[in-house]
Amino acid sequence: DAGVIQSPRHEVTEMGQEVTLRCKPISGHDYLFWYRQTMMRGLELLIYFNNNVPIDDSGMPEDRFSAKMPNASFSTLKIQPSEPRDSAVYFCASSWEGAFNNEQFFGPGTRLTVL
Amino acid sequence: EDQVTQSPEALRLQEGESSSLNCSYTVSGLRGLFWYRQDPGKGPEFLFTLYSAGEEKEKERLKATLTKKESFLHITAPKPEDSATYLCAVQVYGNKLVFGAGTILRVKS
Repeated sequence: DAGVIQSPRHEVTEMGQEVTLRCKPISGHDYLFWYRQTMMRGLELLIYFNNNVPIDDSGMPEDRFSAKMPNASFSTLKIQPSEPRDSAVYFCASSWEGAFNNEQFFGPGTRLTVL
Repeated sequence: EDQVTQSPEALRLQEGESSSLNCSYTVSGLRGLFWYRQDPGKGPEFLFTLYSAGEEKEKERLKATLTKKESFLHITAPKPEDSATYLCAVQVYGNKLVFGAGTILRVKS
């Protein structure tokens, strides 16, 4: 398996623009997580899905952020409108319910810069 | 509020100089404690899961231990390739992980 795939790897946009980040989880995994990592706040969970259903979105910072998982192999995180404080590295991770160690597999991340 | 504190923030070691990283936590109900390694420009990579006080896990030069209030990641005779940021996380409910700020480890040859 190729692992968790994220696109784009880098995104530079201007304040006010819509940004869409994409994630393909590992085949067979039933959990998908979106994280944000910054120097100030570290690695924070934004939202996670189980079998394509959002379970906990308490980490989504505000209504400008939305996430969808239309099927088991694809998820998006959208920011509209984007602001400079959204600049961060966004990670997608997936895991399998039956894993003994509850390991989450992380993607390479998308580095977002909002000017 | 669930909190995870890692210390030190940064650690410099000479190759072969053993040491330990600390992760202390304050949570309402611990379901699991995780250690991840993160290399620059990459996503975190899983190392260990610990579920109960007294549990220990080992992998090559790394050993993780867990008490009721903290976890240690012991690094024995480290090599330069062990240089990375080590993240600790706690699972408090559901599948939600709360991460600490990490310890940046640099091992010089």
